[in-house]
Amino acid sequence: AQSVTQLGSHVSVSEGALVLLRCNYSSSVPPYLFWYVQYPNQGLQLLLKYTSAATLVKGINGFEAEFKKSETSFHLTKPSAHMSDAAEYFCAVTGTASKLTFGTGTRLQVTL
Amino acid sequence: GAGVSQSPSNKVTEKGKDVELRCDPISGHTALYWYRQSLGQGLEFLIYFQGNSAPDKSGLPSDRFSAERTGGSVSTLTIQRTQQEDSAVYLCASSLVRTPRETQYFGPGTRLLVL
Repeated sequence: AQSVTQLGSHVSVSEGALVLLRCNYSSSVPPYLFWYVQYPNQGLQLLLKYTSAATLVKGINGFEAEFKKSETSFHLTKPSAHMSDAAEYFCAVTGTASKLTFGTGTRLQVTL
Repeated sequence: GAGVSQSPSNKVTEKGKDVELRCDPISGHTALYWYRQSLGQGLEFLIYFQGNSAPDKSGLPSDRFSAERTGGSVSTLTIQRTQQEDSAVYLCASSLVRTPRETQYFGPGTRLLVL
C-alpha cells in the first residue's frame, strides 16, 4: 500500500521568497510520485512527476522536486514565489496500481 | 487539443434523487479514472476503466454508486438515492495508457450539492 503525508496544510510566503512544500511517502514498492496544483474551482494540473529516472525533477512554472529515498521525501521547491503561485498543491503516489493516492494538500498563500 | 471535459459543472439535487455525471476523456486515452474531492475525506479514488471494463471498483463508497464507459470513450458516474454526504466535487481523469507512471489529466470537475 502507498500513502503520502504533506506537512503543513497552509504555507504563507512573501513574493520573491523561497517556496518549500513538504511531502513524505510510504510505499512497499518503488514509488512513482507526482505534484499537482489546483487553482480555485478548477481541476488538477500536473506540475511534475518522478518516475525513477533522475532524482531531481524539473516541472512547469519554475518548480522542482528532489526524490530522496533515504528520507522517503519528495519536497516541492521554487526559488522565488510569484503571486500567481497561490493555489493548493497536492502530492500523490502510485505503486503497482495506477490509482493516485493523494496527500491532504497544502494551500500556498503569497503575500506582497 | 481538447482536454478532459465534465458535465454538468454544477449540480444541485434533493436527497433521494438519482444523478448522472458525465466525463469525456482526451481522445485516444484508454484509461479513465473517477475521484472524489470532499472537505472531510480529501481526494479519494473511486473507480478506473481500462477500455470499457472496470478492473478496480474498490473505491466506490456504496452500492448506490455505479459507473460505466461506452465505446472506450465517454463515462457516466451514477449515484442513486443521493445522500447529503455525497456532496463533493467529482473529478474525472484520463491517461494514454494504464500504467502507474503515466500522467493523469484531470477535468474541471462536477460540483454536486445534495440538499
